[in-house]
Amino acid sequence: QSVLTQPPSVSGAPGQRVTISCTGSSSNIGANFDVHWYQQLPGTAPKLLIYGNIYRPSGVPDRFSGSKSATSASLAITGLQAEDEADYYCQSYDNSLSGTVFGTGTKVTVL
Amino acid sequence: QVQLQESGPGLVKPSETLSLTCTVSGGSVSSGSHYWSWIRQPPGKGLEWIGNIYYSGNTNYNPSLKSRVTISVDSSKNQISLKLSSVTAADTAVYYCARDQMVQGVIGPWFDPWGQGTLVTVSS
Repeated sequence: QSVLTQPPSVSGAPGQRVTISCTGSSSNIGANFDVHWYQQLPGTAPKLLIYGNIYRPSGVPDRFSGSKSATSASLAITGLQAEDEADYYCQSYDNSLSGTVFGTGTKVTVL
Repeated sequence: QVQLQESGPGLVKPSETLSLTCTVSGGSVSSGSHYWSWIRQPPGKGLEWIGNIYYSGNTNYNPSLKSRVTISVDSSKNQISLKLSSVTAADTAVYYCARDQMVQGVIGPWFDPWGQGTLVTVSS
């Protein structure tokens, strides 16, 4: 069961900027737990994209950026490229469930 | 760098127990620096955290699966294992193992790296 809500899909033309929202509640994002983001290319395992709301692991292009505010977070992709076409998931911790929770997932389509 | 590889039967009958193993290479499950998690993804659907384990054997489970899940660690083989009992078709999924990461200044764990995943189908 997903307690973090994401839009099912977003799309954009190459070079454009797209954003993906991740909406939580007072028991997860609103409880000051940080948000992390993953990219899942078709047929592959998820790959860490952003951790701690804003930090990019080594090797992740700076076209990807994250932010967090109150009970929600966002992932922005600038200069959209064909290789960015994938599913994206947010993740945080929920203290009422005492465990990790994932977002519902967003499919990014490059037009 | 650390790599994880899941293994186990790809087909399990309803009501039986699903058993998977995750072998860790390039690092030690008993280093004391990390928890190790199992995560699953039904075909065409999203990710669900199953639970995690520390090298000491301390575990945390998703409340929705807690009554059916057992995660264990074998330090001598550098492996973590998952058992899910009384499976149904709803347990059909790709099962991933992943390393929990935490650092000072970031509140809450994340997962990196992940194994490639293994598809388990529940069917008679």
